[in-house]
Amino acid sequence: DTAVSQTPKYLVTQMGNDKSIKCEQNLGHDTMYWYKQDSKKFLKIMFSYNNKELIINETVPNRFSPKSPDKAHLNLHINSLELGDSAVYFCASSQYRGGETQYFGPGTRLLVL
Amino acid sequence: AQKITQTQPGMFVQEKEAVTLDCTYDTSDQSYGLFWYKQPSSGEMIFLIYQGSYDEQNATEGRYSLNFQKARKSANLVISASQLGDSAMYFCAMREGLAGNNRKLIWGLGTSLAVNP
Repeated sequence: DTAVSQTPKYLVTQMGNDKSIKCEQNLGHDTMYWYKQDSKKFLKIMFSYNNKELIINETVPNRFSPKSPDKAHLNLHINSLELGDSAVYFCASSQYRGGETQYFGPGTRLLVL
Repeated sequence: AQKITQTQPGMFVQEKEAVTLDCTYDTSDQSYGLFWYKQPSSGEMIFLIYQGSYDEQNATEGRYSLNFQKARKSANLVISASQLGDSAMYFCAMREGLAGNNRKLIWGLGTSLAVNP
C-alpha cells in the first residue's frame, strides 16, 4: 500500500501551458505539504494544508494554486508554466500540523520546454 | 544565516565501514526536532531518524544513529556497516517551535554519500 502517492510521476510540457499534480495520502494524516526541489537538490516548502485549511503559503508565484478537497488529498495547479518551474515537486504529509515527521510521495518530475 | 549547515557536499566511504555525516543547526528555541532523510538516485525522500531536543538518549534506528550534541548544536548521522545501497543524498532538517503552531521543516543542502565496493 502506497502511503503518499503522486500523479503523474513525469510531466513534460510546453511553456505557457497549465498543468496539475495530484497527491493522496492514506496515512490518516491531518497535514499535507508541497515542496519544490530544484536542480541543486535544494528543498523549498511551498504550501501546507491542515485539514483543508491553508496554513503555510511561502513566497510562491500566484501561478501556483494548491487545493485540498479533503484532508487526504492535496493538488497543485500551475498556470502559465515557465522554464524556471522545471523541478521535482514533492508532496508530503504529517500527522499533525507543523513539522512532525513528514512522509514524502515519490515526486513529480516536471520539465518545461 | 543558514539554520541548518551540512558542510560536506560529498563523502566517500568503503563498504562495511562506518561513516558520519555532519549537521549543525542554529536555533534559539528550547523545543525543536531534528530529522535525517535519505534521497537515493531514484528520487524518493525516505525518513531515517528523528531526535527531539528534550530526548536524553541519542536516537537509533537499525544501522542509523544520531549523534546529538546539544551544546555544540550538532546532530550528526552515523551509518554503521555501510552498504552499497546507502549511496544517496542525505538531508538534515530541523523543526522549531512548539507543537500546534504552523511550524515548517528547515532543510540543509544535503550531503552526497558514495559507498565504494
